[in-house]
Amino acid sequence: EAGVAQSPRYKIIEKRQSVAFWCNPISGHATLYWYQQILGQGPKLLIQFQNNGVVDDSQLPKDRFSAERLKGVDSTLKIQPAKLEDSAVYLCASSLAVAGFGNTIYFGEGSWLTVV
Amino acid sequence: AQSVAQPEDQVNVAEGNPLTVKCTYSVSGNPYLFWYVQYPNRGLQFLLKYITGDNLVKGSYGFEAEFNKSQTSFHLKKPSALVSDSALYFCAVREDSGAGSYQLTFGKGTKLSVIP
Repeated sequence: EAGVAQSPRYKIIEKRQSVAFWCNPISGHATLYWYQQILGQGPKLLIQFQNNGVVDDSQLPKDRFSAERLKGVDSTLKIQPAKLEDSAVYLCASSLAVAGFGNTIYFGEGSWLTVV
Repeated sequence: AQSVAQPEDQVNVAEGNPLTVKCTYSVSGNPYLFWYVQYPNRGLQFLLKYITGDNLVKGSYGFEAEFNKSQTSFHLKKPSALVSDSALYFCAVREDSGAGSYQLTFGKGTKLSVIP
């Protein structure tokens, strides 16, 4: 079974530039998450989708970050304009729909962003 | 809000010795707890989870975790450490997001180094 796919794996941009990350979840997984992991810290949830609707985006810096999940499958996370403090790993994850007690969240390899 | 704490930034253990990585939790209601591992330049890999039932949970790669309700702990253990176990370990707790789905809140991580 294919895992969560992310691209690009690595990106270096200058501050004030824009960047976009793409994620394809595990087939059949209706719930998709974007997490931000800053070096030395645990992952922090940015946004959660169920199908193509947003469940939680309370920690998404909406002045510069945006995310969409058209058609309820692939998702794109965009940062514009980037700041130095956005340097982090952006992790996409997915799980089966509904809060089933046995459901596990599976993560992709991450997209590593460096803002210079 | 639910939270987990990992009191040790780093744990060093000799190869072949037993290892323990500590995690304590603070939740309202029943705790649903997870352990993930992150190898260098990789995403998070699921190790095991506690939902209900036996207090000793067995997971991938020979790892297990002991749930202790009275001490609000969920420590990760392995009887005999391998050099290849060297990685970053994250404890996480489930939080309901509403709309019938959930998200994970992570600890800050513990770096495990297994010394040959």
